[in-house]
This record gives sequence, structure tokens and C-alpha cells, in this order.
Amino acid sequence: DAKTTQPPSMDCAEGRAANLPCNHSTISGNEYVYWYRQIHSQGPQYIIHGLKNNETNEMASLIITEDRKSSTLILPHATLRDTAVYYCIVRHPRAGGTSYGKLTFGQGTILTVHP
Amino acid sequence: KAGVTQTPRYLIKTRGQQVTLSCSPISGHRSVSWYQQTPGQGLQFLFEYFSETQRNKGNFPGRFSGRQFSNSRSEMNVSTLELGDSALYLCASSLETGKLPEGANVLTFGAGSRLTVL
Repeated sequence: DAKTTQPPSMDCAEGRAANLPCNHSTISGNEYVYWYRQIHSQGPQYIIHGLKNNETNEMASLIITEDRKSSTLILPHATLRDTAVYYCIVRHPRAGGTSYGKLTFGQGTILTVHP
Repeated sequence: KAGVTQTPRYLIKTRGQQVTLSCSPISGHRSVSWYQQTPGQGLQFLFEYFSETQRNKGNFPGRFSGRQFSNSRSEMNVSTLELGDSALYLCASSLETGKLPEGANVLTFGAGSRLTVL
């Protein structure tokens, strides 16, 4: 799986949009970008994933650049409960029998939302 | 529906002992994976089970082992505990039937079992 690079920490004011960048310059054509977050002392929580199109769900939006070498997770209206470590992960798709249970986590970005 | 359940949530052991951790996946999920999280190494993949078979294994010594039962519940065991085994052990399950789109195969994690080795 391709490696990812994220800033170690970011701050955001409550109610503002939080934009978390991720670099994955070695991503291959069939690898997906996944985002998980981990609130203190809990297990990681799935947020969103995408291949090449921008994606949006009830939690966040994912913007993937056209060359797919980087992406941005957007939390449109951050709240204090969004304070967490955010992990950007790139992994192979299901086709070909690749193990789905194995995710390679980096150090992630510690997002702190301030009142 | 119920999430991934891990037991025990907290436990304290001494060096040289062994420990068994349990994971009950979401009903219908057949894949169970285990991860170790430490402040120094972060989240690291231990192993994955599917249909009672270990499908993938991370770079951990043989003291770390696991198994999966026919009802998809899984256990992991660490023998001859060392101080460095102190960690949060996380279990995750996924649906994975082979016919679902990529998005259906996200991992759902439990709250973890926090092991302290003295």
C-alpha cells in the first residue's frame, strides 16, 4: 500500500471548516484513499473513502486531486467532539483477494478544535 | 445493531504471564483483524482471520497468536508477556462477502482492551 504523509497537528475554531491534507504521491491507479479518526481512548472510526471522485457523506467531504497524489478531508463545521487523531490510509481494493483487514496507519494528524 | 465487543476492557498482568483477549464482531461480519497500539509505534497490524483461517499476519513474534471460531468470534493470546507488550489491543470486523462494493468493506473497531504488564 502507498505511504501517506500528514501534518502532525492542526488547530481549528469551533464552527469553522477543518481541512486536513494528506499526501500520497506514490498511490497506484486502483488504490483507494480512506480516512479514519480516533478519539482519545476509543477505537478508530471510519469517516469516508474515495477512489478519484470527490465524495461527501454525513460526516465529511473528501477532495482528491486530479492526479490523485493528494487529498483533503473537510469537516464543514467542526465541533469540539471532532477533536481527534485523523488517519489518511491508502489501500488496495478488494479485487484480487487482497486482505481487507490490514490497514497501514501512519502517525496521523492531531486535530484540536478550540471553542 | 451491536458494535464490536472486546473483553476485558482493562487488565494488568506481570512479566512472564500469558493473556487472552476476546473479540465479538458485528453480527454477520466474517473478517476479524487485530491491532496493537502503543505511544511509540502507533497502530500496528497483528493478524486477520476470515472463516476461521488466518489470512494475514503482521510483523510480530510468535508469542502473539490468535484464532477465530465458527461464529466469527476471535481471541488473541500473548504468551510470556514482556513490559513492551503493554498496549491497547484493538479488534476490528468487516462484512466482506466478496460481492459488495469497496465501500462495504470498511473496518469497524471495538473500544479495545488495555493491557498493562508490570
